[in-house]
Amino acid sequence: DQQVKQNSPSLSVQEGRISILNCDYTNSMFDYFLWYKKYPAEGPTFLISISSIKDKNEDGRFTVFLNKSAKHLSLHIVPSQPGDSAVYFCAASALNRDDKIIFGKGTRLHILP
Amino acid sequence: ETGVTQSPTHLIKTRGQQVTLRCSSQSGHNTVSWYQQALGQGPQFIFQYYREEENGRGNFPPRFSGLQFPNYSSELNVNALELDDSALYLCASSPVGEGNSPLHFGNGTRLTVT
Repeated sequence: DQQVKQNSPSLSVQEGRISILNCDYTNSMFDYFLWYKKYPAEGPTFLISISSIKDKNEDGRFTVFLNKSAKHLSLHIVPSQPGDSAVYFCAASALNRDDKIIFGKGTRLHILP
Repeated sequence: ETGVTQSPTHLIKTRGQQVTLRCSSQSGHNTVSWYQQALGQGPQFIFQYYREEENGRGNFPPRFSGLQFPNYSSELNVNALELDDSALYLCASSPVGEGNSPLHFGNGTRLTVT
């Protein structure tokens, strides 16, 4: 049973446009959400996070939106740059859970020239 | 500041053998988590160590075991290897033993079981 779902395996976006990556979760106990970025042959790198008490968090070109009622979050990248081509993982956690941070399957983002 | 380092980077083992993977946590981090990433999947939580004790475990059988040492480095041991154990094994450290801290990952060990 997947608790964190990224339903788009891949996404292609023109350079300079907005990239929107989506994520859904099923467990209402999750109270902290994270996005990680992964290049080939490297480990995932933390990108941005959001607590369940907020609905938006912004860091430079990256903004994460959280819709708790829909159990949905999204990552917006604007403007998209060639270096943003990578696999993006959505992840979630809840205090006192034994299985800590749970990851989705990832979305591969291709930035087109 | 030294990041998370893992060794070896690649490993090939035969079914039924045992393997030990090693991880040095980032400076100042006292918590180490291990994840398994199969092809086309996201990282799956194996277990976490905090102050040398297991602090949470995912849905993995007992043949997956670990250790954390006083310097916060860690080992992942897998006994009786199966073909499905072929995956990228990621170690991650964080400064505290709770879920609400971003993990800092190493580059992983690619294990192939034949």
